[in-house]
Amino acid sequence: AQRVTQPEKLLSVFKGAPVELKCNYSYSGSPELFWYVQYSRQRLQLLLRHISRESIKGFTADLNKGETSFHLKKPFAQEEDSAMYYCALSLGAGYALNFGKGTSLLVTP
Amino acid sequence: DGGITQSPKYLFRKEGQNVTLSCEQNLNHDAMYWYRQDPGQGLRLIYYSQIVNDFQKGDIAEGYSVSREKKESFPLTVTSAQKNPTAFYLCATEGRENTGELFFGEGSRLTVL
Repeated sequence: AQRVTQPEKLLSVFKGAPVELKCNYSYSGSPELFWYVQYSRQRLQLLLRHISRESIKGFTADLNKGETSFHLKKPFAQEEDSAMYYCALSLGAGYALNFGKGTSLLVTP
Repeated sequence: DGGITQSPKYLFRKEGQNVTLSCEQNLNHDAMYWYRQDPGQGLRLIYYSQIVNDFQKGDIAEGYSVSREKKESFPLTVTSAQKNPTAFYLCATEGRENTGELFFGEGSRLTVL
């Protein structure tokens, strides 16, 4: 069952503009949430996880349990941020990750 | 570089034939996964294995089979019962810490003619 929703298939922004990739989830417990990224001709890889509360490549994501959201944000987009981004949810240890359908981010000069 | 190796990268198959995709890892990871990636569909879980000789069905297991006889290997067989097998298949592993960080292979693209 799809528990992760990424409403935008494609998001296009200009270089230097703020970017927000949306992710909503459906789970009543305390999920673990992740953002994965796939750059052109590269393997899918972890970008960040909510538990770490860290900023990676300028990206941050805050878990909002009230809105059941985990949006990915960056204040100033760069052309090298162009990639496919997937939000993923885990119910905990021993459970497989459930991925959203992905958002393709295009940053144009 | 080591890590996860999927083979073959490209595979063509006639309808009615079974085909097996290989996934080998040297990361000493316990958990291994198979996902299917289709445009606009994201990644959908086919099968996963937390430990040798044990595996569980994912959301779209019908028409697929797996085995986990060795820690390093988790082959996926796409059977003739799979209605729409043309897709990109991704194998992944996860370390014992169960942190949710998956390490992915480069993928195998299967085309059924």
